[in-house]
Amino acid sequence: DTGVSQDPRHKITKRGQNVTFRCDPISEHNRLYWYRQTLGQGPEFLTYFQNEAQLEKSRLLSDRFSAERPKGSFSTLEIQRTEQGDSAMYLCASSLALGNHGGYQPQHFGDGTRLSIL
Amino acid sequence: SQQGEEDPQALSIQEGENATMNCSYKTSINNLQWYRQNSGRGLVHLILIRSNEREKHSGRLRVTLDTSKKSSSLLITASRAADTASYFCATATGGANSKLTFGKGITLSVRP
Repeated sequence: DTGVSQDPRHKITKRGQNVTFRCDPISEHNRLYWYRQTLGQGPEFLTYFQNEAQLEKSRLLSDRFSAERPKGSFSTLEIQRTEQGDSAMYLCASSLALGNHGGYQPQHFGDGTRLSIL
Repeated sequence: SQQGEEDPQALSIQEGENATMNCSYKTSINNLQWYRQNSGRGLVHLILIRSNEREKHSGRLRVTLDTSKKSSSLLITASRAADTASYFCATATGGANSKLTFGKGITLSVRP
């Protein structure tokens, strides 16, 4: 069983630069989620996709953030003009939603991309 | 915003002892889930309990849910050093949106 894969594992960049992260979910999973986790906190929801459709975005996701899942498989999360406050672990998760009862299925997480802004 | 609050924030026990962790939440839920996170890694799903269930077991794990008190507990029996990790409760409000709302987590240290 190939789990959720995220790339890169670590990213260090200067403030103001753009960064892009990739997530490859478990192949048969139709839902894909992005979360952000800062030190000492639990993950916070950013956005999620059902197949290629982005169905919800958190207010945490400012207009500098954009996520895509063009073919309903892998997803990318881009942050433009990075700021110090963007430093965090970005986690991707996937699940298999059955009908409208997506809430019943556990989410499978990748190991995250740790972003450090200099 | 964080929905759940875990208690205690940190727990240190001897190998072989039982570990009990508590979680309280604020709004109505569809289900509650517990996850484990080792340092620098992603989260691993442990157990899910639905709002109409009161208790569930999985191996050395026992989870209870009291929807009237909006609280849950996770019991790990006969703890091992490998159980050392952070533990999070997460709630799902259900329906079409299955996003999880996590608490701040509990750091469990199991001394060999």
